[in-house]
Amino acid sequence: DAGVTQSPTHLIKTRGQHVTLRCSPISGHKSVSWYQQVLGQGPQFIFQYYEKEERGRGNFPDRFSARQFPNYSSELNVNALLLGDSALYLCASSSRATAGGLVTKNIQYFGAGTRLSVL
Amino acid sequence: DAKTTQPPSMDCAEGRAANLPCNHSTISGNEYVYWYRQIHSQGPQYIIHGLKNNETNEMASLIITEDRKSSTLILPHATLRDTAVYYCIVRVEGSNYKLTFGKGTLLTVNP
Repeated sequence: DAGVTQSPTHLIKTRGQHVTLRCSPISGHKSVSWYQQVLGQGPQFIFQYYEKEERGRGNFPDRFSARQFPNYSSELNVNALLLGDSALYLCASSSRATAGGLVTKNIQYFGAGTRLSVL
Repeated sequence: DAKTTQPPSMDCAEGRAANLPCNHSTISGNEYVYWYRQIHSQGPQYIIHGLKNNETNEMASLIITEDRKSSTLILPHATLRDTAVYYCIVRVEGSNYKLTFGKGTLLTVNP
């Protein structure tokens, strides 16, 4: 089975431009999360979507937005790019297991990421 | 989420067991311990997670102390391909949707 796929793998943009990153989750997974990883740091949470609804947002400016489509794929959009947006953008998908109405398992599986360079 | 503390780096000889410690002294009763690793320039890879009992899978073993304030990830026979940054994360299962990564431990497996 295919894992989480992200496109493109690499991207170069200039300051002020807009970028769209794409993610296809593992088949059957309905939840997608986005993370930003700058050099030397661990990934930082940006958004989570479940069943096409935003379920969580990290401490990122409004220039960052995302959406999830009926097929559970997702896009991350970043407007007015800054040099500091240069990073590895990671997408993770998960499948929630429930028991008695409670979520019991929610392991996130990551894609290889999109390397964004802003010049 | 409870904060975790990991050594910044560790070395291990190939074929030996790698024991990676993690301190999570402020962990709550409903928080699980997760381990991920990230090989250079790749996405993080899930390894194992547990609540209070020791866990083992095909990749590793997770030993959680009885008071749950610390844990150890054990790679029983480290190979060169196990060289990576290892992240210890604690979070509430299910309802907590995000993973909060620290800086992790860079494990270098030497030939």
